[in-house]
Amino acid sequence: GENVEQHPSTLSVQEGDSAVIKCTYSDSASNYFPWYKQELGKRPQLIIDIRSNVGEKKDQRIAVTLNKTAKHFSLHITETQPEDSAVYFCAASSNTGRRALTFGSGTRLQVQP
Amino acid sequence: SAVISQKPSRDICQRGTSLTIQCQVDSQVTMMFWYRQQPGQSLTLIATANQGSEATYESGFVIDKFPISRPNLTFSTLTVSNMSPEDSSIYLCSGGRDRDTGELFFGEGSRLTVL
Repeated sequence: GENVEQHPSTLSVQEGDSAVIKCTYSDSASNYFPWYKQELGKRPQLIIDIRSNVGEKKDQRIAVTLNKTAKHFSLHITETQPEDSAVYFCAASSNTGRRALTFGSGTRLQVQP
Repeated sequence: SAVISQKPSRDICQRGTSLTIQCQVDSQVTMMFWYRQQPGQSLTLIATANQGSEATYESGFVIDKFPISRPNLTFSTLTVSNMSPEDSSIYLCSGGRDRDTGELFFGEGSRLTVL
């Protein structure tokens, strides 16, 4: 089955700096790669996603890149703000089989004011 | 997006008892899944809830321990049976409308503490 690895496990940045979180996946059939933000005690919230026919996608301060050849994808947050502090999870799924998401281990992002 | 409600939101349970978690979606969804999230950890898939048939379980999860029902396209239940302290966790329901896009949305979770 799919295996998703995520790095780093913790990331501390100064407000205004950029943050980058990287994930790799193992199943070449995976074609959907979402990113979720989870604040303490809250549900995971979808913040951005990318599909295998696209190499990059941007939404305001957030961007995701995908390299299918290397099987890795990354989340980029620019101009970080204290409210960006949360745990971020990458995930992957394939449209064959059950279509469930396999999650990475998570990155705890701390933005220092 | 889909709005997913779960209840109970939290509960404290005694060892050996069972608890059923309900998941209600505000509109029909094609896909429903149950995940477990242990404190400080990632989300682990328990099973796919199949409408009108038996759930499909992931390795390490069995029907006798985690029976699941899905009578229609907007509702599912997960029972945690014969609980032990190791079952203390957050249980999350998720749903998605479109298999082609793969988007999944999550309930707020049910936090179970087993004493």
